[in-house]
Amino acid sequence: NAGVTQTPKFQVLKTGQSMTLQCAQDMNHEYMSWYRQDPGMGLRLIHYSVGAGITDQGEVPNGYNVSRSTTEDFPLRLLSAAPSQTSVYFCASSPVISNQPQHFGDGTRLSIL
Amino acid sequence: RKEVEQDPGPFNVPEGATVAFNCTYSNSASQSFFWYRQDCRKEPKLLMSVYSSGNEDGRFTAQLNRASQYISLLIRDSKLSDSATYLCVVIPTGGFKTIFGAGTRLFVKA
Repeated sequence: NAGVTQTPKFQVLKTGQSMTLQCAQDMNHEYMSWYRQDPGMGLRLIHYSVGAGITDQGEVPNGYNVSRSTTEDFPLRLLSAAPSQTSVYFCASSPVISNQPQHFGDGTRLSIL
Repeated sequence: RKEVEQDPGPFNVPEGATVAFNCTYSNSASQSFFWYRQDCRKEPKLLMSVYSSGNEDGRFTAQLNRASQYISLLIRDSKLSDSATYLCVVIPTGGFKTIFGAGTRLFVKA
């Protein structure tokens, strides 16, 4: 059971570079979301999607773009990386029924120099 | 006021101790409640759902008090392997955005 797969697991970028964090799930979940977690802090929602073609902003969307062309994939794009975006990024998914818990990928550790 | 609030701890307890965490939520229309566990530098993992009547899973007991808008997690006979951060999670009625508390850190000592 693959569940939620995130790639890459680690990445180092220079300020101003762009990149895409990949997230794929094989559970046919409609709901997918991206969080960032900074040291000693809780999860903060960046963007989320309730189905293919539908995305919305979370708590901290600035500097990030998302798209949802298929049910399985929900990539997160950093447009112009900044040191403040150094963080651990988690992707999660769940069925769209709102009483279902989310399943997480194992994270991408991103450092911006 | 945060939507979900937890005591950040840390809680330092000896092996075999009983420890309890509380979590309060602000949206009275919240529908679903969970406890997650997060180990250092790892992804959060579902520990257990929380039901209105209270529920137990081995050494873990979760309870919900809708009138006071809080949920609790009780861990009995603590093990070293219980050391982790415990996240309180709430989903509002009719909503999709899962709301995570900042977590309570637990250290179990030998």
